Amino acid sequence: EVQLVASGGKLVKPGGSLRLSCVVSGLSFSDAWMTWVRQAPGKGLEWVGRISSETDGATTDYGAPVKGRFFISRDDSKNSTYLQMNTLTTEDTAVYYCAVILGARATYFGYWGQGSLVTVSS
Amino acid sequence: QSALTQPRSVSGSPGQSVTISCTGSGSDVGGFNFVSWYQQHPGKVPTVIIYDVDERPWGVPDRFSGSKSGNTASLTISGLQADDEADYHCCAYAGRYTWVFGGGTKVTVL
Repeated sequence: EVQLVASGGKLVKPGGSLRLSCVVSGLSFSDAWMTWVRQAPGKGLEWVGRISSETDGATTDYGAPVKGRFFISRDDSKNSTYLQMNTLTTEDTAVYYCAVILGARATYFGYWGQGSLVTVSS
Repeated sequence: QSALTQPRSVSGSPGQSVTISCTGSGSDVGGFNFVSWYQQHPGKVPTVIIYDVDERPWGVPDRFSGSKSGNTASLTISGLQADDEADYHCCAYAGRYTWVFGGGTKVTVL
């Protein structure tokens, strides 16, 4: 069974930083492409960013609202991916989900973690 | 990366069919056959029900079907059941391994 467990969410002040973690089990993590998706309270889903497998260069890309402030990394020895969030604003308040990208051409999000709540407030 | 456009809500009676539209542009929905749909019950994690426009993951009932025409993708739920009451989110690949979501549609079973 594939499991993703996200952690690290908490209350943080505007301008602050936070790192979320996501531990994956039940699949070959080193081959997995990973993504982060967020959901503000009462809103829809928003794509945050993704990281390819190490084999594919561990390349990253991000959605426009977070580009230059958020950074995704991975540690295959720990079956983990991380979301480093800097210069947080109240607009970043959301539940953050990690997910595994699936498909022959890596086109959809097949397994999701339970989410980690980040609240940005003074 | 502009969000895809979905209706805020749709409703139907048990046994009926409902269709949710998802409109984007030639850079996302219209440019690739990589539209996916996610079902999210209140307080729960999203789960994929359609990928690559019209493919269903193992275990998803064939009451759920997807299609695409031009820059608009659609999700149809046939034989509506009480448990289908949820939020549905479309998502389109936008090139260079980036994605864009729609605003989500609340399906109500009357």
